[in-house]
Amino acid sequence: AQSVTQLGSHVSVSEGALVLLRCNYSSSVPPYLFWYVQYPNQGLQLLLKYTTGATLVKGINGFEAEFKKSETSFHLTKPSAHMSDAAEYFCAVSDSNFGNEKLTFGTGTRLTITP
Amino acid sequence: NAGVTQTPKFRVLKTGQSMTLLCAQDMNHEYMYWYRQDPGMGLRLIHYSVGEGTTAKGEVPDGYNVSRLKKQNFLLGLESAAPSQTSVYFCASSSFSRQPLYEQYFGPGTRLTVT
Repeated sequence: AQSVTQLGSHVSVSEGALVLLRCNYSSSVPPYLFWYVQYPNQGLQLLLKYTTGATLVKGINGFEAEFKKSETSFHLTKPSAHMSDAAEYFCAVSDSNFGNEKLTFGTGTRLTITP
Repeated sequence: NAGVTQTPKFRVLKTGQSMTLLCAQDMNHEYMYWYRQDPGMGLRLIHYSVGEGTTAKGEVPDGYNVSRLKKQNFLLGLESAAPSQTSVYFCASSSFSRQPLYEQYFGPGTRLTVT
């Protein structure tokens, strides 16, 4: 069974500071990994994804994440936070076996940006 | 393209009442999903469908029923609402493909309160 752990339900950073949101996964097969962002009162939208190939993945709005198999991690980073980054972020894992397209989500990290 | 739409956006029910949530997608996606989102618990899969006429249970199916009579629609029913079903419900869809590039597209959510 797959699982995702997001460390820190709330993270607060200053505008312009580094954003680091942590995600560790558990999967018995090579995983597909995703980060989704949810702005207030909206649905989720895909930020970035790792399937195969390059382990450093770039997404929208300047975010990136690195797949580290040895650490079973997929942490999300952004060099310089912007006020518009305030949102809730979800890490998710999927089994890469063909036909299994269910996602398992983490519990989410709420990111607050302070001026 | 409207993407994934959900009806209604808000609803208040009394315990024991029934209702149906409608999800529609115009992307010709094969897979559709219903999630519920509760504070501190992330998104949990209720039911999903891999094609017209087929449905399957997810992580938290009790108290819910679903139907997929048309490819573009996925209905979630509550036969006898309970306060524990107070939540935000999200519908999502994705495309069936051998390419590991699929992603789930989410609707805007339905906020349901059961009193």
